[in-house]
Amino acid sequence: KNEVEQSPQNLTAQEGEFITINCSYSVGISALHWLQQHPGGGIVSLFMLSSGKKKHGRLIATINIQEKHSSLHITASHPRDSAVYICAVSRNDKIIFGKGTRLHILP
Amino acid sequence: EADIYQTPRYLVIGTGKKITLECSQTMGHDKMYWYQQDPGMELHLIHYSYGVNSTEKGDLSSESTVSRIRTEHFPLTLESARPSHTSQYLCASSEHGATYNEQFFGPGTRLTVL
Repeated sequence: KNEVEQSPQNLTAQEGEFITINCSYSVGISALHWLQQHPGGGIVSLFMLSSGKKKHGRLIATINIQEKHSSLHITASHPRDSAVYICAVSRNDKIIFGKGTRLHILP
Repeated sequence: EADIYQTPRYLVIGTGKKITLECSQTMGHDKMYWYQQDPGMELHLIHYSYGVNSTEKGDLSSESTVSRIRTEHFPLTLESARPSHTSQYLCASSEHGATYNEQFFGPGTRLTVL
Protein backbone atom coordinates (compact mmCIF):
# COMPACT_ATOMS: atom_id res chain seq x y z
CA LYS A 1 0.00 0.00 0.00
CA ASN A 2 1.35 3.41 -0.96
CA GLU A 3 1.99 5.85 1.89
CA VAL A 4 0.12 8.53 -0.09
CA GLU A 5 -3.15 7.58 -1.78
CA GLN A 6 -5.15 9.82 -4.08
CA SER A 7 -8.70 9.52 -5.38
CA PRO A 8 -10.01 9.52 -7.94
CA GLN A 9 -7.23 8.40 -10.28
CA ASN A 10 -9.01 9.97 -13.25
CA LEU A 11 -11.73 12.60 -13.35
CA THR A 12 -13.59 14.08 -16.31
CA ALA A 13 -15.98 16.98 -15.70
CA GLN A 14 -17.77 19.72 -17.56
CA GLU A 15 -16.54 23.28 -17.52
CA GLY A 16 -17.93 25.13 -14.53
CA GLU A 17 -18.23 22.13 -12.24
CA PHE A 18 -16.87 22.09 -8.69
CA ILE A 19 -13.98 19.64 -8.46
CA THR A 20 -12.72 17.75 -5.41
CA ILE A 21 -9.58 15.62 -5.32
CA ASN A 22 -8.77 13.66 -2.18
CA CYS A 23 -5.50 12.61 -0.60
CA SER A 24 -4.93 10.27 2.34
CA TYR A 25 -1.61 9.46 3.92
CA SER A 26 -0.49 6.93 6.47
CA VAL A 27 2.68 8.42 7.94
CA GLY A 28 3.61 11.34 10.17
CA ILE A 29 4.32 14.43 8.15
CA SER A 30 5.63 17.95 8.57
CA ALA A 31 3.69 19.35 5.59
CA LEU A 32 1.50 18.36 2.68
CA HIS A 33 1.91 19.65 -0.86
CA TRP A 34 -0.41 19.92 -3.82
CA LEU A 35 1.34 20.08 -7.18
CA GLN A 36 0.11 20.52 -10.73
CA GLN A 37 1.74 18.77 -13.69
CA HIS A 38 0.78 19.79 -17.20
CA PRO A 39 1.11 17.51 -20.26
CA GLY A 40 4.49 19.04 -21.08
CA GLY A 41 5.78 17.54 -17.84
CA GLY A 42 6.65 20.64 -15.83
CA ILE A 43 5.51 20.66 -12.19
CA VAL A 44 4.22 23.69 -10.33
CA SER A 45 3.71 23.87 -6.58
CA LEU A 46 0.14 24.97 -5.79
CA PHE A 47 0.00 24.73 -2.00
CA MET A 48 2.07 23.72 0.95
CA LEU A 49 0.12 23.36 4.17
CA SER A 50 0.43 21.83 7.60
CA SER A 51 -2.98 22.75 9.03
CA GLY A 52 -6.31 24.30 8.17
CA LYS A 53 -7.10 25.72 4.78
CA LYS A 54 -5.47 27.80 2.05
CA LYS A 55 -7.04 29.57 -0.91
CA HIS A 56 -5.48 30.87 -4.11
CA GLY A 57 -7.85 32.13 -6.77
CA ARG A 58 -10.23 29.31 -7.65
CA LEU A 59 -8.18 26.71 -5.79
CA ILE A 60 -8.75 25.72 -2.16
CA ALA A 61 -6.73 23.18 -0.19
CA THR A 62 -7.69 21.78 3.19
CA ILE A 63 -5.98 19.38 5.55
CA ASN A 64 -7.18 17.40 8.57
CA ILE A 65 -4.11 16.26 10.48
CA GLN A 66 -6.03 13.98 12.85
CA GLU A 67 -7.66 12.12 9.98
CA LYS A 68 -4.51 12.24 7.80
CA HIS A 69 -6.54 13.57 4.90
CA SER A 70 -6.41 16.53 2.54
CA SER A 71 -8.63 17.79 -0.25
CA LEU A 72 -8.00 20.04 -3.22
CA HIS A 73 -11.03 21.89 -4.57
CA ILE A 74 -11.37 23.77 -7.84
CA THR A 75 -14.33 26.12 -8.19
CA ALA A 76 -15.76 27.11 -11.59
CA SER A 77 -13.48 24.64 -13.38
CA HIS A 78 -12.08 25.55 -16.79
CA PRO A 79 -10.47 23.49 -19.56
CA ARG A 80 -7.10 25.09 -18.73
CA ASP A 81 -7.33 23.34 -15.32
CA SER A 82 -6.83 20.03 -17.14
CA ALA A 83 -3.66 18.52 -15.70
CA VAL A 84 -2.40 15.91 -13.27
CA TYR A 85 -2.74 17.00 -9.65
CA ILE A 86 -0.24 15.42 -7.30
CA CYS A 87 -0.45 15.16 -3.53
CA ALA A 88 2.87 14.81 -1.71
CA VAL A 89 3.95 14.79 1.93
CA SER A 90 7.15 15.98 3.60
CA ARG A 91 8.61 13.40 5.93
CA ASN A 92 12.11 13.15 7.38
CA ASP A 93 13.57 15.71 4.99
CA LYS A 94 12.15 13.96 1.92
CA ILE A 95 8.96 14.17 -0.07
CA ILE A 96 6.72 11.18 -0.80
CA PHE A 97 4.50 11.54 -3.85
CA GLY A 98 1.09 10.12 -4.67
CA LYS A 99 0.39 8.76 -8.14
CA GLY A 100 -1.63 11.81 -9.11
CA THR A 101 -5.17 12.49 -10.28
CA ARG A 102 -5.63 13.10 -13.99
CA LEU A 103 -8.25 15.83 -14.42
CA HIS A 104 -9.89 16.58 -17.76
CA ILE A 105 -12.31 19.50 -18.01
CA LEU A 106 -14.52 19.47 -21.08
CA PRO A 107 -15.58 22.77 -22.67
CA GLU B 1 8.36 31.64 -11.46
CA ALA B 2 11.08 29.20 -10.44
CA ASP B 3 14.56 29.71 -11.86
CA ILE B 4 15.54 26.11 -12.42
CA TYR B 5 16.55 24.86 -15.82
CA GLN B 6 17.07 21.50 -17.46
CA THR B 7 18.69 20.61 -20.75
CA PRO B 8 18.03 18.96 -23.04
CA ARG B 9 14.23 18.90 -22.84
CA TYR B 10 14.07 15.87 -25.11
CA LEU B 11 16.77 13.34 -25.95
CA VAL B 12 16.64 10.27 -28.19
CA ILE B 13 19.80 8.22 -28.09
CA GLY B 14 21.10 4.76 -28.93
CA THR B 15 21.96 2.00 -26.49
CA GLY B 16 25.42 2.18 -24.99
CA LYS B 17 25.89 5.93 -25.31
CA LYS B 18 27.04 8.07 -22.39
CA ILE B 19 24.68 10.92 -21.59
CA THR B 20 24.60 13.81 -19.17
CA LEU B 21 21.40 15.57 -18.20
CA GLU B 22 21.99 19.12 -17.05
CA CYS B 23 20.22 20.90 -14.20
CA SER B 24 20.96 24.38 -12.91
CA GLN B 25 19.23 26.81 -10.56
CA THR B 26 19.81 30.48 -9.86
CA MET B 27 18.02 30.67 -6.50
CA GLY B 28 21.04 29.79 -4.38
CA HIS B 29 19.32 26.70 -3.02
CA ASP B 30 21.49 24.22 -1.16
CA LYS B 31 19.28 21.17 -1.69
CA MET B 32 18.83 19.63 -5.12
CA TYR B 33 17.05 16.49 -6.24
CA TRP B 34 16.65 14.20 -9.25
CA TYR B 35 13.40 12.33 -9.77
CA GLN B 36 12.47 9.68 -12.32
CA GLN B 37 8.91 9.46 -13.56
CA ASP B 38 7.53 6.82 -15.91
CA PRO B 39 4.36 7.72 -17.87
CA GLY B 40 1.29 7.79 -15.64
CA MET B 41 3.31 6.90 -12.56
CA GLU B 42 4.47 8.77 -9.47
CA LEU B 43 7.80 10.50 -9.08
CA HIS B 44 10.60 8.50 -7.51
CA LEU B 45 13.64 10.10 -5.90
CA ILE B 46 16.88 8.75 -7.42
CA HIS B 47 19.49 11.23 -6.14
CA TYR B 48 19.74 14.25 -3.86
CA SER B 49 22.32 16.66 -2.56
CA TYR B 50 22.50 18.88 0.52
CA GLY B 51 25.17 21.11 -0.93
CA VAL B 52 28.53 21.22 -2.68
CA ASN B 53 30.34 17.84 -2.60
CA SER B 54 27.29 16.17 -1.06
CA THR B 55 25.45 13.47 -3.02
CA GLU B 56 23.13 10.72 -1.78
CA LYS B 57 21.17 7.94 -3.43
CA GLY B 58 17.40 8.19 -3.28
CA ASP B 59 14.70 5.65 -2.66
CA LEU B 60 14.71 4.20 -6.17
CA SER B 61 17.85 2.39 -7.25
CA SER B 62 19.38 3.96 -10.35
CA GLU B 63 22.43 3.24 -12.49
CA SER B 64 22.95 6.95 -12.96
CA THR B 65 25.46 9.07 -11.05
CA VAL B 66 25.44 12.71 -10.01
CA SER B 67 27.94 15.36 -8.99
CA ARG B 68 27.68 18.66 -7.12
CA ILE B 69 30.79 20.72 -7.70
CA ARG B 70 28.93 24.05 -7.73
CA THR B 71 25.86 25.06 -5.75
CA GLU B 72 23.89 25.94 -8.84
CA HIS B 73 24.69 22.87 -10.92
CA PHE B 74 23.60 19.22 -10.40
CA PRO B 75 24.20 17.11 -13.52
CA LEU B 76 23.10 13.48 -13.86
CA THR B 77 25.13 11.04 -15.93
CA LEU B 78 24.38 7.63 -17.44
CA GLU B 79 27.62 5.93 -18.51
CA SER B 80 25.90 3.46 -20.84
CA ALA B 81 22.29 4.15 -21.69
CA ARG B 82 19.84 1.25 -22.05
CA PRO B 83 16.18 1.10 -23.16
CA SER B 84 15.19 0.54 -19.50
CA HIS B 85 16.45 4.08 -18.80
CA THR B 86 13.72 5.52 -21.00
CA SER B 87 11.75 7.84 -18.72
CA GLN B 88 11.25 11.45 -17.71
CA TYR B 89 13.85 12.93 -15.39
CA LEU B 90 12.89 15.91 -13.24
CA CYS B 91 15.28 18.09 -11.28
CA ALA B 92 14.20 20.13 -8.25
CA SER B 93 15.72 22.37 -5.60
CA SER B 94 14.78 23.70 -2.17
CA GLU B 95 16.28 25.90 0.51
CA HIS B 96 18.47 24.21 3.06
CA GLY B 97 16.91 24.20 6.48
CA ALA B 98 13.40 24.85 5.17
CA THR B 99 11.46 22.50 7.42
CA TYR B 100 8.62 22.02 5.04
CA ASN B 101 10.84 21.39 2.05
CA GLU B 102 8.95 23.27 -0.65
CA GLN B 103 10.58 22.18 -3.87
CA PHE B 104 10.85 24.03 -7.17
CA PHE B 105 10.88 21.85 -10.26
CA GLY B 106 12.58 22.16 -13.59
CA PRO B 107 10.69 21.42 -16.84
CA GLY B 108 12.08 17.88 -17.07
CA THR B 109 14.08 15.90 -19.64
CA ARG B 110 12.23 13.24 -21.57
CA LEU B 111 14.79 10.51 -22.41
CA THR B 112 14.24 7.78 -24.97
CA VAL B 113 16.89 5.11 -25.41
CA LEU B 114 16.54 3.02 -28.54
